[in-house]
Amino acid sequence: EAGVAQSPRYKIIEKRQSVAFWCNPISGHATLYWYQQILGQGPKLLIQFQNNGVVDDSQLPKDRFSAERLKGVDSTLKIQPAKLEDSAVYLCASSLEFTAGGEQYFGPGTRLTVT
Amino acid sequence: DQQVKQNSPSLSVQEGRISILNCDYTNSMFDYFLWYKKYPAEGPTFLISISSIKDKNEDGRFTVFLNKSAKHLSLHIVPSQPGDSAVYFCAATLLRGDMRFGAGTRLTVKP
Repeated sequence: EAGVAQSPRYKIIEKRQSVAFWCNPISGHATLYWYQQILGQGPKLLIQFQNNGVVDDSQLPKDRFSAERLKGVDSTLKIQPAKLEDSAVYLCASSLEFTAGGEQYFGPGTRLTVT
Repeated sequence: DQQVKQNSPSLSVQEGRISILNCDYTNSMFDYFLWYKKYPAEGPTFLISISSIKDKNEDGRFTVFLNKSAKHLSLHIVPSQPGDSAVYFCAATLLRGDMRFGAGTRLTVKP
């Protein structure tokens, strides 16, 4: 079974530039999550999708971050414009359904450096 | 708001000994607790979980203990192996699946 795929693996941009990350979840997983992990901290949920609908985006900085999940499969996360404090690893995860205790499967992440 | 805390950033143990990783939480509404393991340049991988209605769950060398009155859980690894060296994240979920993570503990198992 193929895991969660993410691209690119690494990205370096200057502040005020735009960047987009792509995620392909495990086939058949209805729920998709985007997390931000700043160095030395645990992952923080940015947005959660159930199929192509948003379940929770309360921690997404909506003035600069946006995400979509077209057709309930792949997802993209965009930052526009980027700030220095956006430097982090962006993790995508998926699960069969969003039940409490349901295991989430993580991709390898995209490491973003904003200079 | 840091609802899940791992106060030890690192832990070093000898191969064959027990590793005990600790986690505290503040939200009494959490109903599931999970441990994830993370190797460098990889995403976290699920290790073991426990429901809030239980106080112990065991899977091979890994056992998680939950003390609801103290809002504390711990992960025991017995015996520890060098391949267990990784960062361990404690996580807790609410009913809708919103998962909150601790900052992680880096475990080093020395041969």
